[in-house]
Amino acid sequence: GESVGLHLPTLSVQEGDNSIINCAYSNSASDYFIWYKQESGKGPQFIIDIRSNMDKRQGQRVTVLLNKTVKHLSLQIAATQPGDSAVYFCAENGSSNTGKLIFGQGTTLQVKP
Amino acid sequence: DAGITQSPRHKVTETGTPVTLRCHQTENHRYMYWYRQDPGHGLRLIHYSYGVKDTDKGEVSDGYSVSRSKTEDFLLTLESATSSQTSVYFCAISGTATNQPQHFGDGTRLSIL
Repeated sequence: GESVGLHLPTLSVQEGDNSIINCAYSNSASDYFIWYKQESGKGPQFIIDIRSNMDKRQGQRVTVLLNKTVKHLSLQIAATQPGDSAVYFCAENGSSNTGKLIFGQGTTLQVKP
Repeated sequence: DAGITQSPRHKVTETGTPVTLRCHQTENHRYMYWYRQDPGHGLRLIHYSYGVKDTDKGEVSDGYSVSRSKTEDFLLTLESATSSQTSVYFCAISGTATNQPQHFGDGTRLSIL
């Protein structure tokens, strides 16, 4: 399944399935992108980042894909586990050189056992 | 986890009272940020700091002030708290302005009655 960030939609997947979370970013000048995971009662936790000179980057069980042509970012989680249940945010750096980030609204991922 | 401590973690206070939130880091990072997080708005930047005594406004700075007298501490002050400032406040740090993720503390839940 897949979902688009910005309106806090919910993506519900079965444990063991792959998850795809999408984000449409806003600023064509952005050249650095980050995915965060936020569990209830905690702060956002860094998952993976990607620079605009790349279109794909892989981490442990996660892959980020960047399509600059359509300003689209996605996070793929392989073999989704109950511990992956959280809200996921994308962030972009816009045209700022002060480290300021622009955050998407987030997507809630629910993993069914 | 990045060495970020926010205090207090929870606070309830009355309208019109001053409130100060503290962010303490042990990473010696140059950049520090204060955000608020509200349903339907995601993370919004209040103020940020790019060095000791160097601060600037974010997108929702009205009613807030900040101070950074040493690298490790960044204080957020509500001079006269209002109910609209009820929110969850997050501090974040990063080592550089570009191409590095921000790392977040676990937040302060502030209720203003």
